[in-house]
Amino acid sequence: AAGVIQSPRHLIKEKRETATLKCYPIPRHDTVYWYQQGPGQDPQFLISFYEKMQSDKGSIPDRFSAQQFSDYHSELNMSSLELGDSALYFCASSIGGTRNGYTFGSGTRLTVV
Amino acid sequence: TQLLEQSPQFLSIQEGENLTVYCNSSSVFSSLQWYRQEPGEGPVLLVTVVTGGEVKKLKRLTFQFGDARKDSSLHITAAQPGDTGLYLCAGAAGSGYALNFGKGTSLLVTP
Repeated sequence: AAGVIQSPRHLIKEKRETATLKCYPIPRHDTVYWYQQGPGQDPQFLISFYEKMQSDKGSIPDRFSAQQFSDYHSELNMSSLELGDSALYFCASSIGGTRNGYTFGSGTRLTVV
Repeated sequence: TQLLEQSPQFLSIQEGENLTVYCNSSSVFSSLQWYRQEPGEGPVLLVTVVTGGEVKKLKRLTFQFGDARKDSSLHITAAQPGDTGLYLCAGAAGSGYALNFGKGTSLLVTP
């Protein structure tokens, strides 16, 4: 069965650079979520999209932005990167809302040096 | 402020032992989910509970949702080394809201 695909798997950037993370949700899933997980931390919700429209917003810094495209893939854009942005970034998708559970991708490990 | 409190934070047991992990909140949830996460991988959904008092079983794992829909527990019977991982509970105030996660319980089962 198709899963949530994230790319790249690993990314190394320098401070003040920009990064773009991509997510391809499960076909026919109507909602995409982005989470940030620091070392030893629980996943923190950043932002979500329902049918390509922003549906909920969490603790996403102003330096970050995201969108969902017509083919349902989503991108998380991160600018002016800081050392503290180093984390695992997960994308998840669901159908019919939260009640049916999320399917997570394998994540992108971002390291800012 | 952590919406969901999990306990214990760490648990190290021997193969064959039983254990219970707790997830508590002062908030009411429309549904509560349990995930298991391996290092460097995304969380994998184990179960969703939606009805107060609901009990669900998944092989050796038993999940319970509190009557007031504010808390949940995960009980593992006869733990095996393959059960090792981070167990996360997550809840949402409503179907249209994103999940909030607890800090997780890191379980180590040694042979």
